[in-house]
Amino acid sequence: SAVISQKPSRDICQRGTSLTIQCQVDSQVTMMFWYRQQPGQSLTLIATANQGSEATYESGFVIDKFPISRPNLTFSTLTVSNMSPEDSSIYLCSVLWTSGVYEQYFGPGTRLTVT
Amino acid sequence: AQTVTQSQPEMSVQEAETVTLSCTYDTSESDYYLFWYKQPPSRQMILVIRQEAYKQQNATENRFSVNFQKAAKSFSLKISDSQLGDAAMYFCAYRSGGGGADGLTFGKGTHLIIQP
Repeated sequence: SAVISQKPSRDICQRGTSLTIQCQVDSQVTMMFWYRQQPGQSLTLIATANQGSEATYESGFVIDKFPISRPNLTFSTLTVSNMSPEDSSIYLCSVLWTSGVYEQYFGPGTRLTVT
Repeated sequence: AQTVTQSQPEMSVQEAETVTLSCTYDTSESDYYLFWYKQPPSRQMILVIRQEAYKQQNATENRFSVNFQKAAKSFSLKISDSQLGDAAMYFCAYRSGGGGADGLTFGKGTHLIIQP
């Protein structure tokens, strides 16, 4: 399976600012995903990011609020823009591992607190 | 849209005993995959086990096994010989079939407590 890292691991941000979260994979992967896990809740898919194409957003998530970049096959970023306390969550990236069976593996997550 | 339901917010089991976590799902698709993920306090999501819908045989991974009832749309996880390290949130997840392009739909999770 892939080794996935995220930066930062946690951050405390002021309302109205933006934070960019980085996701790095040690192998080339076609598809990457970004999820949000609000406090005490389950994971919700934000968007799917393929290299070389625009990210595909799920209902309730918009590009202006959560712009995503996917410049190559091992890296992606998620920006949380104009933050409010409601954006306080864990943000996780995952990758689709296609060696044999298609499985998703997750990064360690970024814990964001907005004050 | 697919939905995944975990009706047990919390379960408790004695160390070395067996526990079963429940999951039901709703879908109109015939080709899909089901997963159980474990999330310990470190918050790292760990894939525990996977089941392909087209396979009748229940998946097993060491102490972890599933009871997949396709007609009933049920997908429970059995943990045998529970260990302290099994304590975590367990999430059931669904993914549509095909090339894996779809993300996962998760249930709300079950908090598993292991009593020594």
